[in-house]
Amino acid sequence: DTAVSQTPKYLVTQMGNDKSIKCEQNLGHDTMYWYKQDSKKFLKIMFSYNNKELIINETVPNRFSPKSPDKAHLNLHINSLELGDSAVYFCASSQVEANVLTFGAGSRLTVL
Amino acid sequence: AQSVTQLDSHVSVSEGTPVLLRCNYSSSYSPSLFWYVQHPNKGLQLLLKYTSAATLVKGINGFEAEFKKSETSFHLTKPSAHMSDAAEYFCVVSTTGGFKTIFGAGTRLFVKA
Repeated sequence: DTAVSQTPKYLVTQMGNDKSIKCEQNLGHDTMYWYKQDSKKFLKIMFSYNNKELIINETVPNRFSPKSPDKAHLNLHINSLELGDSAVYFCASSQVEANVLTFGAGSRLTVL
Repeated sequence: AQSVTQLDSHVSVSEGTPVLLRCNYSSSYSPSLFWYVQHPNKGLQLLLKYTSAATLVKGINGFEAEFKKSETSFHLTKPSAHMSDAAEYFCVVSTTGGFKTIFGAGTRLFVKA
């Protein structure tokens, strides 16, 4: 019955590898997001999808590619991982008019 | 353009004493303002939300915040801190639709026994 669930919770990998993080929400929201939280806890939006359409794409390397197969899912694929990609990645969802974000528990990515 | 500034990176209080976490914002439009809390190794949870109704907003766990347009502030308060309040707190400003949501840098609240 988790509202926003992301997998995996922890991910440790080598530089140069490709990895994916999955996110699903069962709230019926029409908008989903990926945020990156760095080691200083600073949160920065990466992408936002509304009804499967990309609406926000902040300055993110094109090694990061989001995919939204349907309104309830927003996955994040990262190619050629770098040390600086180490962070906690949060998925979130909202209903546009409500503005309130519901967050997943986060996926901690460590690149060695 | 929108921005949000949390004036303290760390706040330390004793259990049972008041909490004040300060937040100033800048927005070209009438903003929606939020406070979120993040406990260690957890996701963010909404504490409270302001959207141009009452200027004093009550949230969960005894927290409240007052919107002061003249001071462009949205400070978070709680009369009496509890150990379980120790967490990271984020002040957030958003435009309608949530497409442009800006997070403050966060304030870490420490609660001493």
